[in-house]
Amino acid sequence: QQQVKQSPQSLIVQKGGIPIINCAYENTAFDYFPWYQQFPGKGPALLIAIRPDVSEKKEGRFTISFNKSAKQFSLHIMDSQPGDSATYFCAGLSGSARQLTFGSGTQLTVLP
Amino acid sequence: NAGVTQTPKFQVLKTGQSMTLQCAQDMNHEYMSWYRQDPGMGLRLIHYSVGAGITDQGEVPNGYNVSRSTTEDFPLRLLSAAPSQTSVYFCASSYPSGRTDTQYFGPGTRLTVL
Repeated sequence: QQQVKQSPQSLIVQKGGIPIINCAYENTAFDYFPWYQQFPGKGPALLIAIRPDVSEKKEGRFTISFNKSAKQFSLHIMDSQPGDSATYFCAGLSGSARQLTFGSGTQLTVLP
Repeated sequence: NAGVTQTPKFQVLKTGQSMTLQCAQDMNHEYMSWYRQDPGMGLRLIHYSVGAGITDQGEVPNGYNVSRSTTEDFPLRLLSAAPSQTSVYFCASSYPSGRTDTQYFGPGTRLTVL
Protein backbone atom coordinates (compact mmCIF):
# COMPACT_ATOMS: atom_id res chain seq x y z
CA GLN A 1 0.00 0.00 0.00
CA GLN A 2 1.52 3.25 -1.12
CA GLN A 3 0.90 5.81 1.57
CA VAL A 4 2.37 8.74 -0.37
CA LYS A 5 1.35 9.14 -4.00
CA GLN A 6 3.52 11.43 -6.12
CA SER A 7 2.96 12.87 -9.58
CA PRO A 8 4.05 13.35 -12.26
CA GLN A 9 6.60 10.61 -12.76
CA SER A 10 8.64 12.86 -15.05
CA LEU A 11 8.60 16.53 -15.93
CA ILE A 12 10.40 18.60 -18.54
CA VAL A 13 10.42 22.41 -18.39
CA GLN A 14 12.32 25.23 -20.02
CA LYS A 15 14.80 27.28 -18.02
CA GLY A 16 12.89 29.89 -16.01
CA GLY A 17 9.73 27.77 -15.89
CA ILE A 18 7.95 26.78 -12.67
CA PRO A 19 7.73 23.01 -12.30
CA ILE A 20 5.16 21.76 -9.81
CA ILE A 21 5.29 18.33 -8.20
CA ASN A 22 2.29 17.04 -6.30
CA CYS A 23 1.93 14.55 -3.48
CA ALA A 24 -1.03 13.10 -1.64
CA TYR A 25 -0.85 11.14 1.58
CA GLU A 26 -3.11 8.75 3.43
CA ASN A 27 -1.45 8.36 6.81
CA THR A 28 -2.77 11.04 9.16
CA ALA A 29 0.01 10.17 11.62
CA PHE A 30 2.55 11.95 9.43
CA ASP A 31 3.78 15.04 11.27
CA TYR A 32 6.60 16.22 9.05
CA PHE A 33 6.72 16.43 5.25
CA PRO A 34 10.19 16.72 3.69
CA TRP A 35 11.21 16.95 0.06
CA TYR A 36 14.45 15.28 -0.98
CA GLN A 37 16.55 16.03 -4.05
CA GLN A 38 18.68 13.32 -5.61
CA PHE A 39 21.31 13.67 -8.31
CA PRO A 40 22.44 10.63 -10.31
CA GLY A 41 24.81 8.41 -8.36
CA LYS A 42 24.21 10.28 -5.10
CA GLY A 43 22.09 9.78 -2.04
CA PRO A 44 18.97 11.89 -1.45
CA ALA A 45 19.52 15.20 0.32
CA LEU A 46 16.94 17.22 2.22
CA LEU A 47 15.74 20.18 0.16
CA ILE A 48 12.94 21.71 2.18
CA ALA A 49 10.37 20.49 4.69
CA ILE A 50 7.11 21.58 6.30
CA ARG A 51 5.07 20.71 9.36
CA PRO A 52 1.27 20.32 8.98
CA ASP A 53 0.41 23.39 11.04
CA VAL A 54 1.81 25.62 8.27
CA SER A 55 0.22 26.13 4.82
CA GLU A 56 3.29 27.37 2.97
CA LYS A 57 7.04 27.46 3.35
CA LYS A 58 9.58 29.19 1.12
CA GLU A 59 13.31 28.69 1.00
CA GLY A 60 14.97 30.53 -1.82
CA ARG A 61 13.41 29.40 -5.12
CA PHE A 62 11.68 26.41 -3.51
CA THR A 63 8.17 26.59 -2.02
CA ILE A 64 6.02 23.93 -0.37
CA SER A 65 2.26 24.41 -0.38
CA PHE A 66 0.39 22.28 2.13
CA ASN A 67 -3.34 21.51 2.30
CA LYS A 68 -4.04 19.55 5.46
CA SER A 69 -7.77 19.03 4.84
CA ALA A 70 -7.11 17.59 1.38
CA LYS A 71 -4.03 15.68 2.58
CA GLN A 72 -2.01 17.09 -0.29
CA PHE A 73 1.21 19.03 -0.63
CA SER A 74 3.26 20.26 -3.53
CA LEU A 75 6.70 21.58 -4.42
CA HIS A 76 7.10 24.63 -6.65
CA ILE A 77 10.47 25.61 -8.10
CA MET A 78 10.61 29.23 -9.16
CA ASP A 79 12.89 30.36 -12.00
CA SER A 80 14.08 26.79 -12.58
CA GLN A 81 17.65 26.24 -13.75
CA PRO A 82 19.36 23.36 -15.58
CA GLY A 83 21.19 22.63 -12.30
CA ASP A 84 17.80 21.79 -10.75
CA SER A 85 17.58 18.73 -13.02
CA ALA A 86 17.33 15.85 -10.55
CA THR A 87 14.88 13.39 -9.06
CA TYR A 88 12.63 14.80 -6.36
CA PHE A 89 10.97 12.74 -3.66
CA CYS A 90 8.25 13.81 -1.28
CA ALA A 91 7.91 11.97 2.00
CA GLY A 92 6.00 11.77 5.24
CA LEU A 93 7.55 11.19 8.66
CA SER A 94 5.77 9.53 11.55
CA GLY A 95 6.15 7.69 14.81
CA SER A 96 8.59 7.87 17.66
CA ALA A 97 11.15 6.08 15.48
CA ARG A 98 10.75 8.87 12.89
CA GLN A 99 10.21 6.58 9.93
CA LEU A 100 10.16 8.08 6.43
CA THR A 101 7.63 6.95 3.83
CA PHE A 102 8.60 8.13 0.36
CA GLY A 103 6.66 8.92 -2.77
CA SER A 104 7.75 7.24 -5.99
CA GLY A 105 9.78 10.19 -7.24
CA THR A 106 9.67 12.74 -10.07
CA GLN A 107 12.48 13.05 -12.56
CA LEU A 108 12.78 16.75 -13.44
CA THR A 109 14.65 17.97 -16.50
CA VAL A 110 15.19 21.70 -16.97
CA LEU A 111 16.20 22.51 -20.52
CA PRO A 112 18.69 25.37 -21.10
CA ASN B 1 32.89 15.15 9.53
CA ALA B 2 32.63 12.44 6.86
CA GLY B 3 28.86 12.19 7.43
CA VAL B 4 27.34 8.85 6.41
CA THR B 5 29.69 6.48 4.62
CA GLN B 6 28.81 3.23 2.85
CA THR B 7 30.95 0.44 1.48
CA PRO B 8 31.20 -1.03 -1.05
CA LYS B 9 29.94 1.33 -3.78
CA PHE B 10 29.23 -1.53 -6.18
CA GLN B 11 28.82 -5.27 -5.67
CA VAL B 12 27.88 -8.22 -7.86
CA LEU B 13 26.72 -11.43 -6.18
CA LYS B 14 25.54 -14.79 -7.36
CA THR B 15 22.21 -16.16 -6.18
CA GLY B 16 22.61 -17.74 -2.76
CA GLN B 17 25.72 -15.84 -1.73
CA SER B 18 25.74 -13.77 1.44
CA MET B 19 27.33 -10.42 2.10
CA THR B 20 27.32 -7.44 4.45
CA LEU B 21 26.78 -3.84 3.41
CA GLN B 22 28.62 -1.49 5.72
CA CYS B 23 27.30 1.84 7.01
CA ALA B 24 28.98 4.23 9.41
CA GLN B 25 28.26 7.75 10.62
CA ASP B 26 30.39 10.14 12.64
CA MET B 27 27.68 12.60 13.69
CA ASN B 28 26.72 10.78 16.91
CA HIS B 29 23.22 10.21 15.54
CA GLU B 30 20.94 7.91 17.48
CA TYR B 31 18.70 6.86 14.61
CA MET B 32 19.94 4.88 11.61
CA SER B 33 18.00 3.25 8.78
CA TRP B 34 18.44 1.17 5.66
CA TYR B 35 16.42 1.81 2.49
CA ARG B 36 16.36 0.20 -0.91
CA GLN B 37 15.63 2.20 -4.05
CA ASP B 38 14.00 0.59 -7.05
CA PRO B 39 12.82 2.33 -10.24
CA GLY B 40 9.33 3.80 -9.91
CA MET B 41 9.03 2.82 -6.25
CA GLY B 42 10.91 5.49 -4.38
CA LEU B 43 12.85 4.42 -1.31
CA ARG B 44 11.46 1.72 0.95
CA LEU B 45 12.51 1.15 4.54
CA ILE B 46 14.17 -2.19 5.24
CA HIS B 47 15.28 -1.99 8.88
CA TYR B 48 15.93 0.79 11.34
CA SER B 49 17.53 1.38 14.72
CA VAL B 50 16.77 3.97 17.39
CA GLY B 51 19.97 3.33 19.31
CA ALA B 52 22.73 0.82 19.99
CA GLY B 53 21.26 -2.60 20.68
CA ILE B 54 17.80 -1.68 19.36
CA THR B 55 16.60 -2.61 15.86
CA ASP B 56 13.24 -3.09 14.20
CA GLN B 57 11.75 -4.05 10.86
CA GLY B 58 10.58 -1.64 8.22
CA GLU B 59 8.36 -2.16 5.19
CA VAL B 60 10.50 -4.74 3.33
CA PRO B 61 12.64 -6.67 5.87
CA ASN B 62 12.55 -10.19 4.40
CA GLY B 63 15.95 -11.54 3.42
CA TYR B 64 17.89 -8.95 5.43
CA ASN B 65 19.39 -8.86 8.91
CA VAL B 66 20.76 -5.96 10.92
CA SER B 67 22.48 -5.38 14.23
CA ARG B 68 23.61 -2.23 16.03
CA SER B 69 26.43 -2.84 18.47
CA THR B 70 27.74 0.73 18.40
CA THR B 71 26.23 4.16 17.77
CA GLU B 72 28.45 4.63 14.70
CA ASP B 73 27.86 1.42 12.72
CA PHE B 74 24.76 -0.22 11.26
CA PRO B 75 25.61 -3.11 8.89
CA LEU B 76 23.01 -4.76 6.65
CA ARG B 77 23.40 -8.47 5.98
CA LEU B 78 21.99 -10.34 3.03
CA LEU B 79 21.59 -13.92 4.17
CA SER B 80 21.11 -15.66 0.80
CA ALA B 81 21.05 -13.21 -2.10
CA ALA B 82 18.22 -13.39 -4.64
CA PRO B 83 17.80 -11.54 -7.96
CA SER B 84 14.88 -9.63 -6.38
CA GLN B 85 17.42 -7.97 -4.08
CA THR B 86 19.10 -6.25 -7.02
CA SER B 87 18.74 -2.62 -6.01
CA VAL B 88 20.50 0.48 -4.74
CA TYR B 89 20.81 0.50 -0.97
CA PHE B 90 20.99 3.67 1.10
CA CYS B 91 21.84 4.08 4.74
CA ALA B 92 20.60 7.14 6.62
CA SER B 93 21.06 8.63 10.06
CA SER B 94 19.34 11.32 12.08
CA TYR B 95 19.23 12.92 15.51
CA PRO B 96 15.59 13.81 16.00
CA SER B 97 14.90 16.88 18.03
CA GLY B 98 12.07 19.32 18.40
CA ARG B 99 13.60 21.53 15.72
CA THR B 100 14.55 19.24 12.91
CA ASP B 101 13.93 15.74 11.63
CA THR B 102 16.60 15.77 8.95
CA GLN B 103 17.81 12.38 7.80
CA TYR B 104 21.26 12.30 6.21
CA PHE B 105 21.82 9.73 3.49
CA GLY B 106 24.98 7.96 2.44
CA PRO B 107 26.10 7.70 -1.22
CA GLY B 108 24.57 4.27 -1.70
CA THR B 109 25.63 0.74 -2.65
CA ARG B 110 24.56 -0.57 -6.04
CA LEU B 111 23.99 -4.33 -5.74
CA THR B 112 23.41 -6.73 -8.60
CA VAL B 113 22.41 -10.34 -7.92
CA LEU B 114 22.84 -12.71 -10.85
